[in-house]
Amino acid sequence: DARVTQTPRHKVTEMGQEVTMRCQPILGHNTVFWYRQTMMQGLELLAYFRNRAPLDDSGMPKDRFSAEMPDATLATLKIQPSEPRDSAVYFCASGRDIRNTEAFFGQGTRLTVV
Amino acid sequence: QKEVEQNSGPLSVPEGAIASLNCTYSDRGSQSFFWYRQYSGKSPELIMSIYSNGDKEDGRFTAQLNKASQYVSLLIRDSQPSDSATYLCAVPNTGGFKTIFGAGTRLFVKA
Repeated sequence: DARVTQTPRHKVTEMGQEVTMRCQPILGHNTVFWYRQTMMQGLELLAYFRNRAPLDDSGMPKDRFSAEMPDATLATLKIQPSEPRDSAVYFCASGRDIRNTEAFFGQGTRLTVV
Repeated sequence: QKEVEQNSGPLSVPEGAIASLNCTYSDRGSQSFFWYRQYSGKSPELIMSIYSNGDKEDGRFTAQLNKASQYVSLLIRDSQPSDSATYLCAVPNTGGFKTIFGAGTRLFVKA
C-alpha cells in the first residue's frame, strides 16, 4: 500500500523551540512538496523538490524555515525558532517525475506552538 | 488576483441534487487540472483530473474544462451526505511541477 508517511502526526511545542517534521515519499516518486494549511490561508505551497534538488522555496519564511531532502526516502521541514503563528497543519505530498502529474498527500503534521 | 480561485462557500445542496463547484486560474500555460476532496481533519485526496477541453466523467463526478476561459468545474450528480467535504481545485503552473491549490469550496449535502 503505497502512501506518503509523515511524522509526527501531532506536535505541541513552546515558542522558540525547534520543530522538525519528516516525510517519506512514495517509493519511486521524485517530486516532493511541502504545504501548510490554515483556515485563513488555505493550502500554501512552502517548497518543492525534484530529484532531491530544491526547485522553489519562495513560499517559505527564509529566516526560520528550512527544507531539505537528505536522501530520496526522506524530506524534512524545520522551523527554528517556532512562533505561535506557525501553528497549522503541514502536509507533505509526492508525485512522479513527470510534468503536470497529480500529487499524493501524507496525513499531515498538526503543529501547535504555544 | 490569486492564481487559483474558488468560491469558499459553503455550498448546500439537498441529497440527490447536482452540486456544481467552480474554479478559475490565472496561468494560461497550465496543462493539467485536478480536483481533490478533503474531509474534515483528513488530508486531500485526488478524485478527478482533466487535461483537455470538454467534459470528463467518472461515476457521479464530471470535470469540465474551458482553457480559453481559464475555467474548470466539478459536477457531482446524485449528491450524497458522504460527499460533504471541502473540494480543492489544483493547477500546476506552466512549468508543470509547481502545483497551486485554490482555497477550497465547502460542500454540505443535506439528507
